[in-house]
Amino acid sequence: AQTVTQSQPEMSVQEAETVTLSCTYDTSESDYYLFWYKQPPSRQMILVIRQEAYKQQNATENRFSVNFQKAAKSFSLKISDSQLGDAAMYFCAYRSINNNDMRFGAGTRLTVKP
Amino acid sequence: ETGVTQSPTHLIKTRGQQVTLRCSSQSGHNTVSWYQQALGQGPQFIFQYYREEENGRGNFPPRFSGLQFPNYSSELNVNALELDDSALYLCASSFVTGPLQETQYFGPGTRLLVL
Repeated sequence: AQTVTQSQPEMSVQEAETVTLSCTYDTSESDYYLFWYKQPPSRQMILVIRQEAYKQQNATENRFSVNFQKAAKSFSLKISDSQLGDAAMYFCAYRSINNNDMRFGAGTRLTVKP
Repeated sequence: ETGVTQSPTHLIKTRGQQVTLRCSSQSGHNTVSWYQQALGQGPQFIFQYYREEENGRGNFPPRFSGLQFPNYSSELNVNALELDDSALYLCASSFVTGPLQETQYFGPGTRLLVL
């Protein structure tokens, strides 16, 4: 079964600085999807970025980018120019193309210091 | 805002009772997935509904059941509530066509407390 591991329960970053959140996963599949979701205190899970495993190019969405290392099964999220509104729980998630079960990591709580 | 809505926002029940949670999908989406998120943990997949039928299930007992309606809204029913069922219940909608499933968009969740 696929598992997702986020080894950093908490991270903090100074406003305007850059922070990287780590995620590793375990799978025997060759094609799948990876996601980063943000969950602010309001609870609503918001999609940050999505990566298809067959794409070698790392996904980017404005200040958010990923470092996808397929061989190492690593999928880190880099947040540039951090803003106070980036403070939230961040979840890494894996979804197989063969089923509908999305697996989440335990999350990383990001604090942004003014 | 994702366009996915859930009701109620909060709910308190006692052990042994039954509960129904509701989810309205984002416009254009035909699939609803339900997740349980215990405090301090990531969401866990309960099941998914597509074309009004269950289309995948996680490791949850049969007392967790669901429905999807022709308008693609959905219900999650939990019978014989246990204390461990206390959690945030999230629904997520997406568009599925053939083997392709688009990104899931989540609702704000229903916080269930079982006493």
